[in-house]
Amino acid sequence: GQQVMQIPQYQHVQEGEDFTTYCNSSTTLSNIQWYKQRPGGHPVFLIQLVKSGEVKKQKRLTFQFGEAKKNSSLHITATQTTDVGTYFCAGPSNTGKLIFGQGTTLQVKP
Amino acid sequence: GAVVSQHPSRVICKSGTSVKIECRSLDFQATTMFWYRQFPKQSLMLMATSNEGSKATYEQGVEKDKFLINHASLTLSTLTVTSAHPEDSSFYICSAIRDRGKQPQHFGDGTRLSIL
Repeated sequence: GQQVMQIPQYQHVQEGEDFTTYCNSSTTLSNIQWYKQRPGGHPVFLIQLVKSGEVKKQKRLTFQFGEAKKNSSLHITATQTTDVGTYFCAGPSNTGKLIFGQGTTLQVKP
Repeated sequence: GAVVSQHPSRVICKSGTSVKIECRSLDFQATTMFWYRQFPKQSLMLMATSNEGSKATYEQGVEKDKFLINHASLTLSTLTVTSAHPEDSSFYICSAIRDRGKQPQHFGDGTRLSIL
């Protein structure tokens, strides 16, 4: 079946360092979404990318959608302790339900 | 923005108890709601898709008689864990979408269920 793979599973960085998580789908996606889940919390929607090659920025966060619409990345510039959490990518299946990646848990050392 | 309320946020109960979790969309009508289960340090696992006025669609391996889902209105879906056992302890999260096939999903705060 359709799979969404995400790497790395964990990332520890020093505050101020950059961070990137990568997402790959086994099938072409109509869109890809990114969510952030803080420890003990629920996933919060960050962004949705729809167009091939699309790049969107939210302050220090840069999201990219690959040309083939099968991969995506989230890059955080100059991480802060508030960036701590697990970042999930998710793509819709052909039935409309979301397929989530395994998530990348980011730890930031102050 | 869209808000989804989930209640209760935490439940601790004895084995054999049935537990009902409510998921409400507060400021929009949700044609579709989803129920997920999340184990510690793992991703969200979709349990079932709940469509208003029809039977829920369960994912493979999810017992529909164990996890009863009711979506009686466009703003409320409930998940009842029947005769809960310790292995049912988990974090249960609902989400809702405004229009079928349109994303993104808006998540509730989740319910942490602990069965003793």
